[in-house]
Amino acid sequence: QKEVEQNSGPLSVPEGAIASLNCTYSDRGSQSFFWYRQYSGKSPELIMFIYSNGDKEDGRFTAQLNKASQYVSLLIRDSQPSDSATYLCAPTGAGRRALTFGSGTRLQVQP
Amino acid sequence: GAGVSQSPSNKVTEKGKDVELRCDPISGHTALYWYRQSLGQGLEFLIYFQGNSAPDKSGLPSDRFSAERTGGSVSTLTIQRTQQEDSAVYLCASSLGQQETQYFGPGTRLLVL
Repeated sequence: QKEVEQNSGPLSVPEGAIASLNCTYSDRGSQSFFWYRQYSGKSPELIMFIYSNGDKEDGRFTAQLNKASQYVSLLIRDSQPSDSATYLCAPTGAGRRALTFGSGTRLQVQP
Repeated sequence: GAGVSQSPSNKVTEKGKDVELRCDPISGHTALYWYRQSLGQGLEFLIYFQGNSAPDKSGLPSDRFSAERTGGSVSTLTIQRTQQEDSAVYLCASSLGQQETQYFGPGTRLLVL
């Protein structure tokens, strides 16, 4: 089992819709989670960081964490074509010294 | 302020040659990471430096790969006797400390012919 699982996509949503990106992880010791966005040909950039169970909102982005289910998600409201990118989930964890990145979900927002 | 910088931005080499890739982290960041990303793939962790601690080399794919970090700042990733499967984008990231937000450089695109 991979440490971090993400559906590779592409996930296609119409402009203005809510995009839901999901990530499961295997290490129960994972304490906090980063979501990065990577445009084609570019480097990853941080979108959200969450460490408590529940929701964390930042503008159009909401991260949701459920440690009991080992599940973290990213919701993008009012999706825009500029949101089209690959979204990478990366948990930290007890004893882990570097982030472990999922392979990412490619999101396509159709105008 | 200045972000993470990497050089060269692109490198084309012949199979069997050695290459050196450079990373300048954000000033004050004690942690530095190297990743590799093949076309259409996720990030593959290579090596991690934290302050003066021994580096975590657990991700290096073979003994042809090595890295050093001088003076707790600049890092160099060296690939000896390059192979075609080494072709990828090599990304460097730095963070204030362990498990903090990582900030990525623009990457070095390596092509081994």
